[in-house]
Amino acid sequence: SQQGEEDPQALSIQEGENATMNCSYKTSINNLQWYRQNSGRGLVHLILIRSNEREKHSGRLRVTLDTSKKSSSLLITASRAADTASYFCATDARIDQGGKLIFGQGTELSVKP
Amino acid sequence: EPEVTQTPSHQVTQMGQEVILRCVPISNHLYFYWYRQILGQKVEFLVSFYNNEISEKSEIFDDQFSVERPDGSNFTLKIRSTKLEDSAMYFCASRRDRLVAKNIQYFGAGTRLSVL
Repeated sequence: SQQGEEDPQALSIQEGENATMNCSYKTSINNLQWYRQNSGRGLVHLILIRSNEREKHSGRLRVTLDTSKKSSSLLITASRAADTASYFCATDARIDQGGKLIFGQGTELSVKP
Repeated sequence: EPEVTQTPSHQVTQMGQEVILRCVPISNHLYFYWYRQILGQKVEFLVSFYNNEISEKSEIFDDQFSVERPDGSNFTLKIRSTKLEDSAMYFCASRRDRLVAKNIQYFGAGTRLSVL
């Protein structure tokens, strides 16, 4: 079964610095997505990258995907204290299976003002 | 902005009791999901639901679990006889598009289930 694993598990940076989180997975995917979770809250979709894409940008977010290495990275530039949250990658396989998402363990990001 | 709504936000129950977790997905969405997150662990898929039937279920989703869409708006998860290990945050999610490229799921804030 596919499985996302993020590293680092925890990351602490100063406001204004860039934060990079990595994710690896095991099986072929259709898409890879990144979600954010504030403490005790639901998951918020950040960005989706398709398996035939290599890089995608959205505001201060930059996602890369390397299907040969089965890995992805999420870069948050010019971080803010409000970016403090847990970040999860999630993959999906064949859509006819219902589109279930397989989540990684997450990276807990702390941005200090 | 439309959102997925879950009630209650926190449910406390005794072991062996039945619980029903409720969700109101976004109104024009067609696919519905339940996930759970045990404290400190990753989010796990439980079940997907489309066209009034289960599309896929995980090993966690055993005979004690069931889902229902009793009307046009609600989507419920029932646990028939709760166990201590069912304690977790349960998330409902919905998705509009069938297209592979648009499998973006919108999550509710979750119901924290505490089994005593």
